[in-house]
Amino acid sequence: EAGVAQSPRYKIIEKRQSVAFWCNPISGHATLYWYQQILGQGPKLLIQFQNNGVVDDSQLPKDRFSAERLKGVDSTLKIQPAKLEDSAVYLCASSRWGTTGELFFGEGSRLTVL
Amino acid sequence: SQELEQSPQSLIVQEGKNLTINCTSSKTLYGLYWYKQKYGEGLIFLMMLQKGGEEKSHEKITAKLDEKKQQSSLHITASQPSHAGIYLCGADLGTNFGNEKLTFGTGTRLTIIP
Repeated sequence: EAGVAQSPRYKIIEKRQSVAFWCNPISGHATLYWYQQILGQGPKLLIQFQNNGVVDDSQLPKDRFSAERLKGVDSTLKIQPAKLEDSAVYLCASSRWGTTGELFFGEGSRLTVL
Repeated sequence: SQELEQSPQSLIVQEGKNLTINCTSSKTLYGLYWYKQKYGEGLIFLMMLQKGGEEKSHEKITAKLDEKKQQSSLHITASQPSHAGIYLCGADLGTNFGNEKLTFGTGTRLTIIP
């Protein structure tokens, strides 16, 4: 079974530029999550999708962050414009419907904002 | 303040020694999950605890849940270099079990020395 795929692995941009991250979850996984992990901290949930609908985006800074999962499969997370404090690893995870807590994570996309 | 506090923040242990990591929640736990993260990689699911007093083991790692104290502990017996990494506890702190929204602790960095 192929794991969660994320790209790019690394991205360096200057503040006020935009960036997009892509995630392809494990086949058949209905739930998809984007987490932000700042160095030295635990992952913080940004947005949770169930198929192509948003379940929770309460911690997503909507003035600059957006995410979509149009066909209920892969997802894109965008930041525009980026700030210095957005430097972090962006982790995508997926899970089967009804299996609380067992998330499968990708390797993450490391963003550095200069 | 953090909803999930882990202690210690970092731990250096000689190979072959036992160790314990703790996770304490400020809210009612509806499930407690342990994950491991190696530097630059995503999180790997270790085990899930759902009932008070529940104890699970996987190889040399044992986790326990004390629902009354809103705490969980992760114990490693006879530590090996392969145990090195960051251990994160995650919990479903929502109002309904099965919310599938995980909040993570800040992590415990474990280093194993020869």
